[in-house]
Amino acid sequence: GAGVSQSPSNKVTEKGKDVELRCDPISGHTALYWYRQSLGQGLEFLIYFQGNSAPDKSGLPSDRFSAERTGGSVSTLTIQRTQQEDSAVYLCASSLELWGLGETQYFGPGTRLLVL
Amino acid sequence: AQSVTQLDSHVSVSEGTPVLLRCNYSSSYSPSLFWYVQHPNKGLQLLLKYTSAATLVKGINGFEAEFKKSETSFHLTKPSAHMSDAAEYFCVVKSNDYKLSFGAGTTVTVRA
Repeated sequence: GAGVSQSPSNKVTEKGKDVELRCDPISGHTALYWYRQSLGQGLEFLIYFQGNSAPDKSGLPSDRFSAERTGGSVSTLTIQRTQQEDSAVYLCASSLELWGLGETQYFGPGTRLLVL
Repeated sequence: AQSVTQLDSHVSVSEGTPVLLRCNYSSSYSPSLFWYVQHPNKGLQLLLKYTSAATLVKGINGFEAEFKKSETSFHLTKPSAHMSDAAEYFCVVKSNDYKLSFGAGTTVTVRA
């Protein structure tokens, strides 16, 4: 079946520009997560959404980062005024539920962001 | 707070020999633990998951892991390495606020 998809797969931007990264979760999955994978920091949690509840934004590194999830499905991660330290692979994951038998998170291929 | 320590940043094995990837965790409660694998330029793939049903967990591609509460360990093993096992492996603990905490990763190299 279809897995988690992300677009674009690669994005090169100039410092100071805004970027939008998209994630399409597995159909029927109520929870959606964003992570960042960088050389210096490893894999780190950014934000998650569960159903119609308010998202947990506790991992967002600064107020330049925001995310939304429309209609309980597709999510967009926006980085405003990009900085070179934002260069990383941004990973999206989804799970059937937050806890229990359906808690396993399935990851997309990621978006590789390079800020020049 | 939950955390994960992968004891080896790099493991090199010969094809056909056993693989052991070591992981220790800290958690204030009974955790959910996972091993994920990431092949070059690919996404993270779930290998196996522990959720207290059984201490020995079998995963895909011949991998298994044993949960040892007394040692707070969740080591990953495979009896016989294959060239296709060359990848980066992450030990992961899920916290009670639903977030995953990743270890630093172990890169596995398989020699022919």
